[in-house]
Amino acid sequence: DIQMTQSPSSLSASVGDRVTITCRASQSITSYLNWYQQKPGKAPNLLIYTTSGLQSGVPSRFSGSGSGTDFTLTISSLQPEDFATYFCQQSYITPWTFGQGTKVEIK
Amino acid sequence: EVQLVQSGAEVKKPGESLKISCKGSGYTFTSHWIGWVRQMSGKGLEWMGFIYPTDSDTRYSPSFQGQVTISVDKSFSTAYLQWGSLKASDTAMYYCARRGAGGSDHAFDIWGQGTMVTVSS
Repeated sequence: DIQMTQSPSSLSASVGDRVTITCRASQSITSYLNWYQQKPGKAPNLLIYTTSGLQSGVPSRFSGSGSGTDFTLTISSLQPEDFATYFCQQSYITPWTFGQGTKVEIK
Repeated sequence: EVQLVQSGAEVKKPGESLKISCKGSGYTFTSHWIGWVRQMSGKGLEWMGFIYPTDSDTRYSPSFQGQVTISVDKSFSTAYLQWGSLKASDTAMYYCARRGAGGSDHAFDIWGQGTMVTVSS
């Protein structure tokens, strides 16, 4: 299985901050990297597909980049509703695998 | 509105069987793979497998192969996740999710609300 490693595991930030979360794959996954947001008690929500595609309805402050094994999710200006846990996922090969999550908390 | 609606929470004893469901609406059910994802309490997400409703082509994660059965009834636009003999370690939230189309066909673009399964003696 392809292992996905996110960093950091958690971070504290303030409203308006620029936030960056990284995801590293144990082997090349080309561009098949997705990002999800999950709020407590809710199902995950797709933010970014295939590295940089912005899912319909997702604010443009979210962006993704990378290729091969190293990927980044950036929130350009953190908003109160962005405090949540973020997961990366590779869909290059089955079994699809997720990172362990990054919890974004209020500073 | 495109949505997946899952069956309600279940409380079962070890050794019992269980089948939970996921009904799609608002889109052509047979055009999208449906996947299942496990989330144990306070933990991350685990891909269990997915099924293509048109022909029931099914792919399982090796971690779940033989432990669960994924099936579909396209006449009811419903996918299922089934256990033959539950264990306490199956206690978790289970989500179904739709594989997208076009650019997002390698991602889960619509998720069900989740079904909590509790297995306890």
